[in-house]
Amino acid sequence: AQRVTQPEKLLSVFKGAPVELKCNYSYSGSPELFWYVQYSRQRLQLLLRHISRESIKGFTADLNKGETSFHLKKPFAQEEDSAMYYCALYGNQFYFGTGTSLTVIP
Amino acid sequence: EAGVVQSPRYKIIEKKQPVAFWCNPISGHNTLYWYLQNLGQGPELLIRYENEEAVDDSQLPKDRFSAERLKGVDSTLKIQPAELGDSAVYLCASSSGQGTTTQYFGPGTRLTVL
Repeated sequence: AQRVTQPEKLLSVFKGAPVELKCNYSYSGSPELFWYVQYSRQRLQLLLRHISRESIKGFTADLNKGETSFHLKKPFAQEEDSAMYYCALYGNQFYFGTGTSLTVIP
Repeated sequence: EAGVVQSPRYKIIEKKQPVAFWCNPISGHNTLYWYLQNLGQGPELLIRYENEEAVDDSQLPKDRFSAERLKGVDSTLKIQPAELGDSAVYLCASSSGQGTTTQYFGPGTRLTVL
């Protein structure tokens, strides 16, 4: 079975503080992992994918196959980072986690 | 480019009534997805099309849900009859290829079944 777990439904951090959104997955093969983001009143959109090894808006995510995790990190949170974040896995189809609502406090 | 277009944006119906949602993907995108998103949950795949072929509909409740993409462009998702538990947001997404290519989501249709 393929599963994506985001243990935190809500996460609040102060502006300028580091932020980490957790994502754990279970999959028997080698999946592709993604982070999608939904800002207020906007559509769900791709933030980054592990295969690209890129940093988008200061966010990075490293795939840890040993711990089956794909945590999203940013060293200094900004107010505009407040949004809903979904971790997603693609094996033979896409599976999304339940999401984490991030609030950055000014 | 308008992106993925969905209509209607909101729909309120009484239980046992039929309802249909329409999606027009980004021009040139061969892959089209329909997702269901319940409150507080992530999107759950209902069906995926490659052109006009439904290549993954294992999560589609076929007793009441149906979908079509006749010309390989726009698509319609239908529920007949609707139940109270069908109240959710129905998302459409498209991508230019299979698998890991970026999905572009529409704004969704929020369905309320009374």
